[in-house]
Amino acid sequence: GDSVTQMEGPVTLSEEAFLTINCTYTATGYPSLFWYVQYPGEGLQLLLKATKADDKGSNKGFEATYRKETTSFHLEKGSVQVSDSAVYFCALRDPDTGNQFYFGTGTSLTVIP
Amino acid sequence: DAGVTQSPTHLIKTRGQQVTLRCSPKSGHDTVSWYQQALGQGPQFIFQYYEEEERQRGNFPDRFSGHQFPNYSSELNVNALLLGDSALYLCASSFRGEYTGELFFGEGSRLTVL
Repeated sequence: GDSVTQMEGPVTLSEEAFLTINCTYTATGYPSLFWYVQYPGEGLQLLLKATKADDKGSNKGFEATYRKETTSFHLEKGSVQVSDSAVYFCALRDPDTGNQFYFGTGTSLTVIP
Repeated sequence: DAGVTQSPTHLIKTRGQQVTLRCSPKSGHDTVSWYQQALGQGPQFIFQYYEEEERQRGNFPDRFSGHQFPNYSSELNVNALLLGDSALYLCASSFRGEYTGELFFGEGSRLTVL
């Protein structure tokens, strides 16, 4: 079945450090891929998405490229800020299995000044 | 433009009781999905409603049921509560016509079962 595997956390970085959070997926069809972010005490917000292979999603300095050959969608940011501290979830939506989203377990990021 | 709103934000129940959670979707959205997020885990799909019918269901027992109203708002009902039902329940809305569209989430209802 469909699933998403995310890098285990928590991750602690100093401000301005480079961030990578790994995400790989298993899907029966051709899924759309998403990164959601959950700030403390808030609901999930879409960070970026990619709908087909080789697409790059980007937002707020974050980027992720849909790699079909490696079934991956790694999240990267060149210089993190304290305000990026949150939990990040990788997710997929596979049209072959309906409309549900499959989420990873989340990666907690803390950025220290 | 109001986003997804959920109520109540927090509630405490005891084992065996029943609970109803409510959700109003984002303006313009016609589809509501419910997810359960246990502590330290990612959201798990419960079910989805469109045109007042359950269209898809995840791996949850029949104790979990729902409803969608003509104004697209929705309720999630859980009967015979178990300790393991303690979680954050998230409502998400979308527009069915947007095939690859994102989900818009509410802030959730935190249920504690004692």
